[in-house]
Amino acid sequence: SQQGEEDPQALSIQEGENATMNCSYKTSINNLQWYRQNSGRGLVHLILIRSNEREKHSGRLRVTLDTSKKSSSLLITASRAADTASYFCATAARITGANSKLTFGKGITLSVRP
Amino acid sequence: DTGVSQDPRHKITKRGQNVTFRCDPISEHNRLYWYRQTLGQGPEFLTYFQNEAQLEKSRLLSDRFSAERPKGSFSTLEIQRTEQGDSAMYLCASSPTGFHGYTFGSGTRLTVV
Repeated sequence: SQQGEEDPQALSIQEGENATMNCSYKTSINNLQWYRQNSGRGLVHLILIRSNEREKHSGRLRVTLDTSKKSSSLLITASRAADTASYFCATAARITGANSKLTFGKGITLSVRP
Repeated sequence: DTGVSQDPRHKITKRGQNVTFRCDPISEHNRLYWYRQTLGQGPEFLTYFQNEAQLEKSRLLSDRFSAERPKGSFSTLEIQRTEQGDSAMYLCASSPTGFHGYTFGSGTRLTVV
């Protein structure tokens, strides 16, 4: 079963704009992660946020976590055409710990127009 | 170390045949995971290992599926008596213990005809 639900399912923006993607989940988590997948390829880890953290930054990425609402958001600033990909949120359940299996959402398709 | 390697990249097989996939994780990573992904969906968990011990198997993993990691290094995933519903991308990932993301391989795309 898939725990995370990303929103929107698809997003199309102009190069240079910011892209915001949201993820909601159902059960208590140990950590939440975001991944990127280019068409037909494996996934690439972007950022991990622990359940006791509220915000993290990595380059042009900013992720927030609200455990009371069971939701997270990923912001990509100053988007580039190369950011075109599918983005997935994934959660590790609190009960099984940091390195337990990740449960992925269905993903968001981001298109960045040049 | 060049990352997680999966072999083969593509496999076309006839229904009823057995197939085996191989995954070579990053050598320092003691955790290894198998996922399956179909078009338009996120990866679905199949099983994972810590060193050579298989710690969890999904209910998706029917008795036709078996995975091994005999010496805590590479892993194999075998599907016996393949069915058309097994057609998917099979992804392998590895990680060290602690708060780390996974490193994924490029996947093996299986087509059952």
